[in-house]
Amino acid sequence: EVQLVESGGGLVQPGGSLRLSCAASGFTFSNYWIHWVRQAPGKGLEWVSRIRYDGRITDYADSVKGRFAVSRDNAKNTVDVHMNSLRAEDTAVYYCARGVPDHYYVDLWGRGTLVTVSS
Amino acid sequence: QSALTQPASVSGSPGQSIAISCTGSSSDIGAYNYVSWYQHHPGKVPKLMISDVSNRPSGVSDRFSGSKSGNTASLTISGLQAEDEAEYYCMSYTTSSTYVFGSGTKVAVL
Repeated sequence: EVQLVESGGGLVQPGGSLRLSCAASGFTFSNYWIHWVRQAPGKGLEWVSRIRYDGRITDYADSVKGRFAVSRDNAKNTVDVHMNSLRAEDTAVYYCARGVPDHYYVDLWGRGTLVTVSS
Repeated sequence: QSALTQPASVSGSPGQSIAISCTGSSSDIGAYNYVSWYQHHPGKVPKLMISDVSNRPSGVSDRFSGSKSGNTASLTISGLQAEDEAEYYCMSYTTSSTYVFGSGTKVAVL
């Protein structure tokens, strides 16, 4: 089955760190960009980051630049996002999504994992 | 990067047509034909409805169509059905090599 599955969410204190993972299956993972998108409670979707199929290019939203770092392991079909200096406003459901090669949209989403930043 | 501007809500009766606008700037929507639209039912995974302004992926009803003029993109739903009731988001690639979503539009079928 073609799917993405996120894991690693949980409760973390302000200023803390957390690592989320996205595991892919059912398609040739190394051909695709992977994006992270989040949705805060009661809010809309917010694009967070993306990583190119070979891991050599990463881009970040201004809201997380310098605090989040995304990496991938094509041998394990996984993408991680390391989130540091977490703030209350980072509280959200985090989705990973597949970016279509040579295009600028995502066509497959995971079910998301909830991150709560609170003391 | 501020969110693209969408109306908070749009409603229509079954069978009617509605349009959802998505307004950005010359740094995003106006710069490229890289606007996509997503349908999001509460508790479910977002679904791609339109890519590259007006391309409809396989499996998406032809009642959904997209267009763009200048810095504004639009999603039109014709023959509105109860199952279309959901939140809709536009997304655009930007000149900063990032992406930006719209603020979201809740579609209600009366």
